[in-house]
Amino acid sequence: SAVISQKPSRDICQRGTSLTIQCQVDSQVTMMFWYRQQPGQSLTLIATANQGSEATYESGFVIDKFPISRPNLTFSTLTVSNMSPEDSSIYLCSVEDLGGQSSYNEQFFGPGTRLTVL
Amino acid sequence: QKEVEQNSGPLSVPEGAIASLNCTYSDRVSQSFFWYRQYSGKSPELIMSIYSNGDKEDGRFTAQLNKASQYVSLLIRDSQPSDSATYLCAVYSGGGADGLTFGKGTHLIIQP
Repeated sequence: SAVISQKPSRDICQRGTSLTIQCQVDSQVTMMFWYRQQPGQSLTLIATANQGSEATYESGFVIDKFPISRPNLTFSTLTVSNMSPEDSSIYLCSVEDLGGQSSYNEQFFGPGTRLTVL
Repeated sequence: QKEVEQNSGPLSVPEGAIASLNCTYSDRVSQSFFWYRQYSGKSPELIMSIYSNGDKEDGRFTAQLNKASQYVSLLIRDSQPSDSATYLCAVYSGGGADGLTFGKGTHLIIQP
């Protein structure tokens, strides 16, 4: 499966500021996703990062709050805008690796970015 | 609204026994089903995927799918302390942002 890295691994930010999280994959992948895992909770899909077009957001998430870029097939960014303490969470990118030995719809996750908003 | 339900646990199992984890889902058109293992402070790791009714075995892990009952399970044989983790059930149904819907996870504790 693909090797996925994220930067930063963690950050502490002040409310009202924005943070951009990077996700880098070591091979070209068609599908990239962004999820959020709030403290003690499971994963919630934020959006699909589409290469060359606007991201597709899940219900409850909007582009103004979580703008996403996908300039090529190996890289994506998620920005958390105008942050509040409620945005404190782990943000994870994932890829659907259609190549190699993976099967349909399987997703593999990056190490995550732990964000704390004060 | 797509929902995936799991018993949050903790589920405590003696070492060497079989751990049985269960999951139900609400969307009848769901196509693909996954089990992820998540250690504390780590990201989820895919351990099993299943697409058709019946059983699928991989080493000590067996996934079971019953689409009529909208039920997925994971059996872990010969449980080891290293199996202690949170197990997340995830379902792909398509539509929307086209990602996975996750359950809240079952916290499994293997007692030495």
